[in-house]
Amino acid sequence: QSALTQPASVSGSPGQSITISCIGSSSDVGLYNFVSWYQQHPDTAPKLIIYDVSNRPSGVSNRFSGSKSGNTASLTISGLLADDEADYYCSSYTSTGTLLFGGGTKLTVL
Amino acid sequence: QVQLQQWGPGVLKPSETLSLTCAVYGGSFSEYYWSWIRQSPGKGLEWIGEINNSGSAKYNPSLKRRVTILLDKSKNQFSLKLSSVTAADTAIFYCARRVDNAGSDFYMDVWGKGTTVTVSS
Repeated sequence: QSALTQPASVSGSPGQSITISCIGSSSDVGLYNFVSWYQQHPDTAPKLIIYDVSNRPSGVSNRFSGSKSGNTASLTISGLLADDEADYYCSSYTSTGTLLFGGGTKLTVL
Repeated sequence: QVQLQQWGPGVLKPSETLSLTCAVYGGSFSEYYWSWIRQSPGKGLEWIGEINNSGSAKYNPSLKRRVTILLDKSKNQFSLKLSSVTAADTAIFYCARRVDNAGSDFYMDVWGKGTTVTVSS
């Protein structure tokens, strides 16, 4: 199983919007709406920010939004804040009943 | 407020068996799946496997030969065993709660703080 494909890094200025892509296949991202996104600050555990493609857990800012088209899922962060600087990981359920993560994207807020 | 507290040895020698335990505090144990995820130094997340309340486990195919995940419902704990470790198994290991909702969801909403495991001779 190969990891889902994410850009290694993205950057944006405070107040701007950025989008992180997550490319899978017809056996995972394209087949199920079980895509989730996690934010990880240095030396901390990942935190769930989006589940089931576009749902936000309670307490997560509405500046975070998710979507999916075909085999590609996307995470958009609007109104960038300094605290958004972190690593972001997508994940998807697969047709073999397992879970696949993306390689991670480092977001830099300029 | 659900909390996951995990523990286990931080250093192992090659060929030994890694053994980690995760205790669940403050929430239902039976309604969820219980997962292990690892993160190698400077690398991304890798799903190791999970177990449900019935004791049925699923594993990452790349690790399946060496992994066992067990459940202890009497203590609200689950554990990970990874045999024949090598330096490539050096990583931070996380336990996590996986939401299922009768098959209509699949995501980890609560995570442990992580345990750093180093394999070195």
